[in-house]
Amino acid sequence: DIQMTQSPSSLSASVGDRVTITCRASQSITSYLNWYQQKSGKAPKLLIYSASSVQSGVPSRFSGSRSGTDFTLTISSLQPEDFATYYCQQSFTIPWTFGQGTKVEIK
Amino acid sequence: EVQLVESGGGLVQPGGSLRLSCAASGLTFSSYNMNWVRQAPGKGLEWISYISSSSSSIYYADSVKGRFTISRDNAKNSLYLQMNSLTAEDTAVYYCANSGNSRLDYWGQGTLVTVSS
Repeated sequence: DIQMTQSPSSLSASVGDRVTITCRASQSITSYLNWYQQKSGKAPKLLIYSASSVQSGVPSRFSGSRSGTDFTLTISSLQPEDFATYYCQQSFTIPWTFGQGTKVEIK
Repeated sequence: EVQLVESGGGLVQPGGSLRLSCAASGLTFSSYNMNWVRQAPGKGLEWISYISSSSSSIYYADSVKGRFTISRDNAKNSLYLQMNSLTAEDTAVYYCANSGNSRLDYWGQGTLVTVSS
């Protein structure tokens, strides 16, 4: 199975900060990488697909990029509603696998 | 508006069975592949099963293979997960989600399955 390693596992940030979350795949997944946001007690929501495409309705402050097997989710200016847990997921091959999650908390 | 609504969760004893359902609306259900994803309490997300739009392709995670069965009824816009031989490790919130182009586009609100004596 492909292992997805996210870092950091948690971070504290202030409103307006630029936040970067990294996800590394254990082997090549080309651009089959998606990012989800999960707020407490709620279902996950798709933010970014194919490494860098922003899902319809998602604010433009969210962006994604790829460098080899390293992927990055960036929030350009953190907003109060962005405090949540973020997961990466590879869809290159089954079984689809998720990173362990990154919890973004208020500083 | 796409809506996926899971049901069928609850408390079940170890070794027991449960059948989950997912009712879909707001999308052409028969055109979409569907998935089950679960989340143990306080833990991350785990993909467990996939079924193609026509049911021609079905996949399972090793953790549930041989115990869980995914199925769908396109006439009823519904997805199912038959879970047998349940253990405490199966305790989780179970989500259904549709997948178009290799991504989980929409998720239901989830249904909690608790395996305990």
